[in-house]
Order: sequence, then C-alpha cells, then structure tokens
Amino acid sequence: QLQLQESGPGLVKPSETLSLTCTVSGGSISSSSYYWGWIRQPPGKGLEWIGSIYYSGSTYYNPSLKSRVTISVDTSKNQFSLKLSSVTAADTAVYYCARPEDGVFDLWGRGTLVTVSS
Amino acid sequence: EIVMTQSPATLSVSPGERATLSCRASQSVSSNLAWYQQKPGQAPRLLIYGASARATGIPARFSGSGSGTEFTLTISSLQSEDFAVYYCQQYNNWPPCTFGQGTKLEIK
Repeated sequence: QLQLQESGPGLVKPSETLSLTCTVSGGSISSSSYYWGWIRQPPGKGLEWIGSIYYSGSTYYNPSLKSRVTISVDTSKNQFSLKLSSVTAADTAVYYCARPEDGVFDLWGRGTLVTVSS
Repeated sequence: EIVMTQSPATLSVSPGERATLSCRASQSVSSNLAWYQQKPGQAPRLLIYGASARATGIPARFSGSGSGTEFTLTISSLQSEDFAVYYCQQYNNWPPCTFGQGTKLEIK
C-alpha cells in the first residue's frame, strides 16, 4: 500500500528557504508513470497547488510561485523534495505531498505545518 | 488561470437531508473536475473525479454532475461523518490545476 510522508523543519525564518521532503513507501517512485506534487493550505484557508514533478524529472509549477519554487526527485531514496525561497509569513501553511493521477489527487500525505517567523 | 468559485461558503443542513454544493469555473473545464472532502486536521480525501465518477470506497450517497463551467456535488442523505469542508478542483489541461475556496457543510 503506497504511502506518502512529509518531513522537514516546522519553523523557517523570513527570507530563508523552506525545504521539505516527501518519502514514498510501499512502492517505487519510478515504477509507474506518475506525477508527484506539493499542495499547501494556509491556516483556515483553501488549497493551493504548488507544483508537480514527473518521475523522470520534468517539472511544472504554479505560475504565482514559479520564481521561488524548485521541486526535485531522488529515485534512489524514493523521495521528492520542495524548496521555496525568500519565504514570508504568507508562506505559513500546512504543506502536503500528493500523487496526482492525470491531475486528480488520489493519494495524500498527512501534511506538515511550516511556520515562517523570526 | 482558471478560477473556481464555490457556493455557498457555508451550508447548514440537518442529518438525513440532502445537501447540494455548487462549483463554477471561469471557463470551460469539460468534465475535468474533482471533489474532495476535508475534515479538521486531516488531508483532503478524493470523492469524485471526471465530474461524476466516484473514487474507490466512496458511498453511493455522494454524486457529482455537470460539465463545462457548472458543477454540483450532491449528498443524498447526510450522515454525521459527512459534515466537513468540500473543495472542487479543475484539472483541465493538467498541469496546472486550481481549487475552489471550499464549502463548509455544517450541522443545522
């Protein structure tokens, strides 16, 4: 049974880079032709797609975040990662990793809260 | 960017009654529309994809309809576990995708 688990610092200082990793267990990240993605949710607010990466490494980003986002994949570790630079308080959110199949997110991690504060 | 607008923001319904949630797209998304349920402290759960297909394990009381720009999620007879926040998501020309702002379904 495929599972996703986010990990990374829960507190990041303003202007620094937020870094999160999603570990895929129960299957290989490169065994199927899936995208893997990141979605965030500010406290009390709705969902925002951040970006996605194909298992081969092709990436697609939300245009509103594109200048600050990098998503990468490490097939040897069965992980994919998110980096968001120059963070502000507006980037405080629960960050989810998820698997979209043809754009539909059918598998989600539990989410991790990242707070941007000095 | 395709903007998804959900209405109402909050819907109050009694258990056992029917709930109807709406989602409108700023331009046609064909049938590339999904619905998710989110309970407090949990990740969203996929309910409906392709505008009307139920995801694996989703009870038959959940149904989706619509195409183009107007979509509806109907819960035929509300159970206590159905009170949650519901989001629609368009994935036409994926990637990218966009979500609606959510409808909170609360107990009347």
